[in-house]
Amino acid sequence: DVKVTQSSRYLVKRTGEKVFLECVQDMDHENMFWYRQDPGLGLRLIYFSYDVKMKEKGDIPEGYSVSREKKERFSLILESASTNQTSMYLCASSLLTLRLTPETQYFGPGTRLLVL
Amino acid sequence: GENVEQHPSTLSVQEGDSAVIKCTYSDSASNYFPWYKQELGKRPQLIIDIRSNVGEKKDQRIAVTLNKTAKHFSLHITETQPEDSAVYFCAASRGSTLGRLYFGRGTQLTVWP
Repeated sequence: DVKVTQSSRYLVKRTGEKVFLECVQDMDHENMFWYRQDPGLGLRLIYFSYDVKMKEKGDIPEGYSVSREKKERFSLILESASTNQTSMYLCASSLLTLRLTPETQYFGPGTRLLVL
Repeated sequence: GENVEQHPSTLSVQEGDSAVIKCTYSDSASNYFPWYKQELGKRPQLIIDIRSNVGEKKDQRIAVTLNKTAKHFSLHITETQPEDSAVYFCAASRGSTLGRLYFGRGTQLTVWP
């Protein structure tokens, strides 16, 4: 059974702080993803990674960076938190097959971030 | 890139009725179409998916149909129950996007007892 965990369920930070959100998966998945979820806007992709130290921008990368030093761990970094980054952040992981066929994404429980 | 449109954004049905959610996509190369269900306060979870070599797939009360010519796919839920109330997301993808899924904006389904 795939398990994706996130470091915090709730987080409160101040404007300008550097914020780290961590995601860990235990199924040896190559792909990992960071989304933010806002009412009416669905799941918007921030960044994803298909291998250690590899990263690709999603649709809304501005104001965020990521780090993938180990296969099982994918971190989202808010360099200088702003109030418009208040949101639910979801991490996901999936297998990368040799044929590059898309596979099921498994989501973590989410981190609700409030920036004051 | 791919663009996925999902309708309706909200749907209310009486228990026992059927519910249909429709999605259209823009990239004719897309070949994988999953549906996720997100209950209140929970994480999204895959409920059914279909690949482009299949026109329809069924799993108990839920089914997905795919029309590649028209570039649309639909989720059908029959005999709805209150526990079907959730947000449903459709998505589309193809092999060369390294596993990336393009999501619709979601449909809030409410099933009234």
